[in-house]
Amino acid sequence: DTGVSQDPRHKITKRGQNVTFRCDPISEHNRLYWYRQTLGQGPEFLTYFQNEAQLEKSRLLSDRFSAERPKGSFSTLEIQRTEQGDSAMYLCASSWNRLKQTGLFTGELFFGEGSRLTVL
Amino acid sequence: AQSVAQPEDQVNVAEGNPLTVKCTYSVSGNPYLFWYVQYPNRGLQFLLKYITGDNLVKGSYGFEAEFNKSQTSFHLKKPSALVSDSALYFCAVRARVPSGAGSYQLTFGKGTKLSVIP
Repeated sequence: DTGVSQDPRHKITKRGQNVTFRCDPISEHNRLYWYRQTLGQGPEFLTYFQNEAQLEKSRLLSDRFSAERPKGSFSTLEIQRTEQGDSAMYLCASSWNRLKQTGLFTGELFFGEGSRLTVL
Repeated sequence: AQSVAQPEDQVNVAEGNPLTVKCTYSVSGNPYLFWYVQYPNRGLQFLLKYITGDNLVKGSYGFEAEFNKSQTSFHLKKPSALVSDSALYFCAVRARVPSGAGSYQLTFGKGTKLSVIP
């Protein structure tokens, strides 16, 4: 399977605990994105990386959230001291910002299946 | 700021009938527009995109979308709906990241639930 993979798919935790999600992007993609999706809403941008550099963080990403992509391959999203409001689906996506061959902007993101977090 | 609106929370259509899922956008500059589909407890799957060129874009699973610059719309269409098309559909627009660093991300609408009735 050469798609984007996320682990774990489901996580149930108690308020105040820390959780970590992992994302493995499509191997040749240099950009990696994290989105959050709550019930009845579209995905909301959290942060993205180009290679190992974190280039943008949304104001939705409070100080309790941290994301890393240490070697420009997989990424982790950690939530510290979870709150019930953190319950959501956390989606990872990857892309190229340019086609190697043509230099054209492709634009579309390829999403993983998501990691669903439930905070009790 | 760039945004998309999906005015219908839910669309019901009989199997075999044509379907339309509406999307309007607001963006500065040339719009880059996308449609994604999401099945229950799954991630988003890319359907089609408009970057430039022909206003009628064809995508996966028989879907197509019509870009209308004057109406700032990008409606998703299919000539004959299948029960298996029942899912959540999201319209998205490429938007600059808030910091203005020159990078882009996708901004999504709230989604439209499509139900195809047998």
